[in-house]
Amino acid sequence: EVQLVESGGGLVQPGGSLRLSCETSGFTFSSYWMHWVRQAPGKGLEWVAIIEQNGNGKYYVDSVKGRFTISRDNAKSSLSLQMSSLRAEDTAVYYCARGPGWYPELWGQGTLVTVSS
Amino acid sequence: DIVMTQSPLSLPVTPGEPASISCRSSQSVFHGTGYESLNWYVQKPGQSPQLLIYLGSNRASGVPDRFSGSGSVTDFTLKISRVEAEDVGVYYCMQSLETPITFGQGTRLEIK
Repeated sequence: EVQLVESGGGLVQPGGSLRLSCETSGFTFSSYWMHWVRQAPGKGLEWVAIIEQNGNGKYYVDSVKGRFTISRDNAKSSLSLQMSSLRAEDTAVYYCARGPGWYPELWGQGTLVTVSS
Repeated sequence: DIVMTQSPLSLPVTPGEPASISCRSSQSVFHGTGYESLNWYVQKPGQSPQLLIYLGSNRASGVPDRFSGSGSVTDFTLKISRVEAEDVGVYYCMQSLETPITFGQGTRLEIK
């Protein structure tokens, strides 16, 4: 069974940092592009970042460039999102999702990040 | 950035009746190798999004054949031939031609 399980969300103060993880199983992780997509409370979906199979190609939405870093560990079948200089507008449920390409095919259950003082 | 615009934003439907959602992109999402980079998702209440249609008109695994996707260049449509109660949720189109990948605002389908 294919699984994507996010963790690492929580309450953080503005300007703070947080690292999200996505543990995967049931498929060959190293063969897929991987995404982070977020959803602010009561709002629509916003794509955040994508990483190539070998970890070289990385792309971000402008609002997180320079603050967020997507990475992956193919040996551990895991995806990460390092978030720094967090703002109130980063408050959202963060989903990790599997390719196959630039469209997410399978999604995790999400982890909530709340940025507030 | 490619802007995705959906209509309507709210769609009340009687069970058994058809439904249609429109999605327009601010520029062509046709990929040079021959497919439309347009995808459809549904987010049912309390759930994560799920893929319905990928690359214009391909139904994802397990998606009932009453769902269909069509369109080209900048104009796309998701059709449900006969709406069922389980189809309640928010439907999103998404372009995957270029980054930033962008979603439409979402269309909330409700049962009358």
